[in-house]
Amino acid sequence: EDQVTQSPEALRLQEGESSSLNCSYTVSGLRGLFWYRQDPGKGPEFLFTLYSAGEEKEKERLKATLTKKESFLHITAPKPEDSATYLCAVQASGYSTLTFGKGTMLLVSP
Amino acid sequence: EAQVTQNPRYLITVTGKKLTVTCSQNMNHEYMSWYRQDPGLGLRQIYYSMNVEVTDKGDVPEGYKVSRKEKRNFPLILESPSPNQTSLYFCASSLSMSPYEQYFGPGTRLTVT
Repeated sequence: EDQVTQSPEALRLQEGESSSLNCSYTVSGLRGLFWYRQDPGKGPEFLFTLYSAGEEKEKERLKATLTKKESFLHITAPKPEDSATYLCAVQASGYSTLTFGKGTMLLVSP
Repeated sequence: EAQVTQNPRYLITVTGKKLTVTCSQNMNHEYMSWYRQDPGLGLRQIYYSMNVEVTDKGDVPEGYKVSRKEKRNFPLILESPSPNQTSLYFCASSLSMSPYEQYFGPGTRLTVT
């Protein structure tokens, strides 16, 4: 059974204080790992797809990395508008379903 | 504007009264999916469709039905809703025949009493 565990459950940062969110996964052959951002009361918004260990992708203050067992979402010099819940999901090879983690709620204070 | 729309956005109903939540996308996407989101459980996939007339079960399909007669529409049907189906529901779509880079709808908050 595919499993995705995100940590921490919640993270509070000061504006400008860089940090990382973790997504550990167990899957029978990884086809893709996905990061989404979800604002309160809204649907998730796609951020990144990672396919293989060693891959990295960046978007503004966010950088996602992937190893064989986990992915990190690095947030550099965050701003209050980065406050949201960040979701990680995996797709196993040969399957068309996604397994999501429970998310990390990030709060960035000015 | 490229978007996924869901209706209704909010619904309160009673046990056993059949209901349908509609989902429509205007991006000519192949893949569409339904999820439910519950506190402490996260997002869980209910059903998905890789193309017209092709649907399959996700992780929590019990008590739900779907159909994909047209490419743009993917309704979620609850034949006999029960209180444990009270949840926040999201429809999503993706260009490929796979759940890559999904666009999510705004959500439907369903309460079954």
